[in-house]
Amino acid sequence: GENVEQHPSTLSVQEGDSAVIKCTYSDSASNYFPWYKQELGKRPQLIIDIRSNVGEKKDQRIAVTLNKTAKHFSLHITETQPEDSAVYFCAASITGAQKLVFGQGTRLTINP
Amino acid sequence: DAGITQSPRHKVTETGTPVTLRCHQTENHRYMYWYRQDPGHGLRLIHYSYGVKDTDKGEVSDGYSVSRSKTEDFLLTLESATSSQTSVYFCAISESNQGSGNTIYFGEGSWLTVV
Repeated sequence: GENVEQHPSTLSVQEGDSAVIKCTYSDSASNYFPWYKQELGKRPQLIIDIRSNVGEKKDQRIAVTLNKTAKHFSLHITETQPEDSAVYFCAASITGAQKLVFGQGTRLTINP
Repeated sequence: DAGITQSPRHKVTETGTPVTLRCHQTENHRYMYWYRQDPGHGLRLIHYSYGVKDTDKGEVSDGYSVSRSKTEDFLLTLESATSSQTSVYFCAISESNQGSGNTIYFGEGSWLTVV
């Protein structure tokens, strides 16, 4: 089955700098790649997603890139702010499997 | 919040006792899921449902059973709770009837401690 690896497990950046989180997936049939943000004690919430027919998607300070050949995708956060501190999860969906497989998560800390 | 309610939100139970967690949705979604979240493991799928009485196993289904007798309710049962089942349990729904490849939304979570 699908396997998703996420790196790094922890990331600390200075406020205003950029943060990048990377994920790799194993099944070339995967075609949907969402990112979730989870604040302490809260539910994971979708922040951005990308499908395999596009290579990049942006939403204000957040962008996701996808490299289907290499089977990896990345989350980019620019001009980081304290409220960006959270755990971020990537995920991949296998066509026809009706389920998401998640990475292990990255704890992002923004230092003022 | 996609109309998802989980109950109970917090529970402490003893080893060997049965426990049932309930997920209730108000928007008639076909696909429902149960995930557990543990440090270092991310979110792992326990079971999911693609319709009334239609369920399938996820990657960590051992020790868990599920039932879906109505569209709006998806129950997760631990027949005999063990300490390894101490976790945060999230119910989720998929907004599309296609399930895979479409966004899922999570409930608020149920914190279960087995002592």
